[in-house]
Amino acid sequence: AQSVAQPEDQVNVAEGNPLTVKCTYSVSGNPYLFWYVQYPNRGLQFLLKYITGDNLVKGSYGFEAEFNKSQTSFHLKKPSALVSDSALYFCAVRDRGNTPLVFGKGTRLSVIA
Amino acid sequence: DSGVTQTPKHLITATGQRVTLRCSPRSGDLSVYWYQQSLDQGLQFLIQYYNGEERAKGNILERFSAQQFPDLHSELNLSSLELGDSALYFCASSEGLAGGSEQFFGPGTRLTVL
Repeated sequence: AQSVAQPEDQVNVAEGNPLTVKCTYSVSGNPYLFWYVQYPNRGLQFLLKYITGDNLVKGSYGFEAEFNKSQTSFHLKKPSALVSDSALYFCAVRDRGNTPLVFGKGTRLSVIA
Repeated sequence: DSGVTQTPKHLITATGQRVTLRCSPRSGDLSVYWYQQSLDQGLQFLIQYYNGEERAKGNILERFSAQQFPDLHSELNLSSLELGDSALYFCASSEGLAGGSEQFFGPGTRLTVL
C-alpha cells in the first residue's frame, strides 16, 4: 500500500529565505506525486504534480519540487519565501492504478517577516 | 476558486442525527471524491464516484453513504452521528480516472456533532 511521510510538523523560515518542505513516499512502481496547500478555513489548492519526465517540476506561486527516485522523495521548494506562503502543505501520492490519493499529515509552514 | 461547490458551509447537529452534505463538481469533471479531515486522523479518503458509479472506497464507515446523481452532483449521507464524526468534509473532483489528474477541492463542510 502506498504511504507518504512528511517528517516535519512545522517549518519556520524568514521572509526572503529559501524554503523546503520535505516529503518521502512509498509506492509500488512509479508514483504520481502531488503537492497541495491549505489556507485557514479553505479547501486544498493544487500546487504541482510529478507524472513523468523532468525530475524538477515547477508549479504555482513560484513553488517547485524535485522528484528523487533513489531517495523516494518529493521535496517542495521555493527560492524566496513570502509571509503569504504561510499555510498547511500536503504531499500526496498514488500509484499507476486507480488507487486513491494518499495524503501526508501535512506540514505547517510559517514565514516570519 | 476551484469551481467545486459544497453546501452547507457549517452544520451543527446532535448525536444520533442524520445529515446530508452536497457537492457540485467542476464543470466537465466526472469523478467526485469525498474526504474527511480531522486533527487526529489527518485527511482521509472516504469514497470516489465516477459518472454515477462507485469506483473506490476508503475508510468510510457503514453509517456513511454517498451517491452521485445523473447531473454529476454528489451527496454524502452521515447517519447515527457520533461526537467523533465532527470534522471537515471535503469534496474534490477531477476530469476522469487518470491517476495523474489533479483533484480540485471544494471549500468543505464543517460538521460539529454535539
